[in-house]
This record gives sequence, C-alpha cells and structure tokens, in this order.
Amino acid sequence: ETGVTQSPTHLIKTRGQQVTLRCSSQSGHNTVSWYQQALGQGPQFIFQYYREEENGRGNFPPRFSGLQFPNYSSELNVNALELDDSALYLCASSLGGASYEQYFGPGTRLTVT
Amino acid sequence: AQTVTQSQPEMSVQEAETVTLSCTYDTSESNYYLFWYKQPPSRQMILVIRQEAYKQQNATENRFSVNFQKAAKSFSLKISDSQLGDTAMYFCACGTASKLTFGTGTRLQVTL
Repeated sequence: ETGVTQSPTHLIKTRGQQVTLRCSSQSGHNTVSWYQQALGQGPQFIFQYYREEENGRGNFPPRFSGLQFPNYSSELNVNALELDDSALYLCASSLGGASYEQYFGPGTRLTVT
Repeated sequence: AQTVTQSQPEMSVQEAETVTLSCTYDTSESNYYLFWYKQPPSRQMILVIRQEAYKQQNATENRFSVNFQKAAKSFSLKISDSQLGDTAMYFCACGTASKLTFGTGTRLQVTL
C-alpha cells in the first residue's frame, strides 16, 4: 500500500510568481485536504476535495485554488505569491471527510523571497 | 467556526512516567470529532487518537487515552508509560466532515 506522497520536497519562489504543488493520495482514498503550516504553528486548513469537487474551505483568499483528478490525486495552486505564503504545505488523504483519520504526506516546504 | 487552544507550548516527562496534554475547543457544530495528532521531528503527522463527540466513553489506544469533557469543551490526552519515541509535537484538532481545525501544538520531550 503506497502512502501519501507530495512533490516537490522543497521549492523557492519569488514574490508575485505562481506555484503548483502536487499530492498523490493513499490508495483507495477519495478525499484530499490541504493545510498550510507556518513555522512553529499548527496546520491551517486550506480546503478539501471530495471526488473532484471542493467540499470545504478555510479562510484563505481565492488565489489559493486546487484540483482533484479522477485518480484522486490533487494539486494546490497559489497565484501572486506573497512572503507570508512561506510555509510547509501538507496534503492529507482519507476515506471520507476530515472527520475520518487523515493520512498526511511529508509536505512541501515553500520559501517565497 | 471552530477554535482549538493548547495552553502548554512545551512539556517534559521522564521515561516510564505519565503526562497529560491539555486542549480546549469551541465549535458551533453539533456533530463534530476530536483528534490528537503527533508530528515527530522531521517526520510525517500521524493520528494518535480519535473521539466522536456524540460518544460519552473516552477513547483509548494502548498507552494513549483521552479525558473528554463535552460540557467544558475539554479534550486532554494522557500518555502512560512514556517512551523516548513519544518525543514530538502534539496537535489537538476539532473537525467536521468538511473541515479540521488544529491547535498550535505542545512540544513534548521525553527524557531518560
């Protein structure tokens, strides 16, 4: 059974650029959630995708967007990057929504300069 | 809206001893779930224990147990017989089917 994987591991971008982060969910999981974890903080919920539809969103601006594909893998896109977007981005998959056990990936460390 | 508060930024416990991590939460939802997740240094977040809010019985998983006080909106984690491998950040979280809110975490250090 393959766990949750994320790519890339690390990324450096310049303010104003756009970035795409990728997540492969655990086999059989139909729900993917994305979180932003700033240094020394707990993860902040960005949004959740269930069967290719957005199914919940946290307090993040529209420049944070996502996709879920038929194989349940997912992308997180961030436009017009700001310095405060520097963080660890975590992807988690589950068999149902966020009320179920979520399996987390190792994260993508994004640095915006 | 949901908020989760962990008032202990750091805690330390000796190996084989018992430690309790505190968590309080607030939610307007009637159907919600509570979790403790563990994030070891440079490793992936993993679930420690899960509690359905509609269940009065406290959840237990081996050395880990919770004290769920629904009226007080309190959800503490007790770790018995602490082991060196328990050293990690511990996050309390409150969620519905479509959203999960985490606290700021408690850094637990298990010492010899």
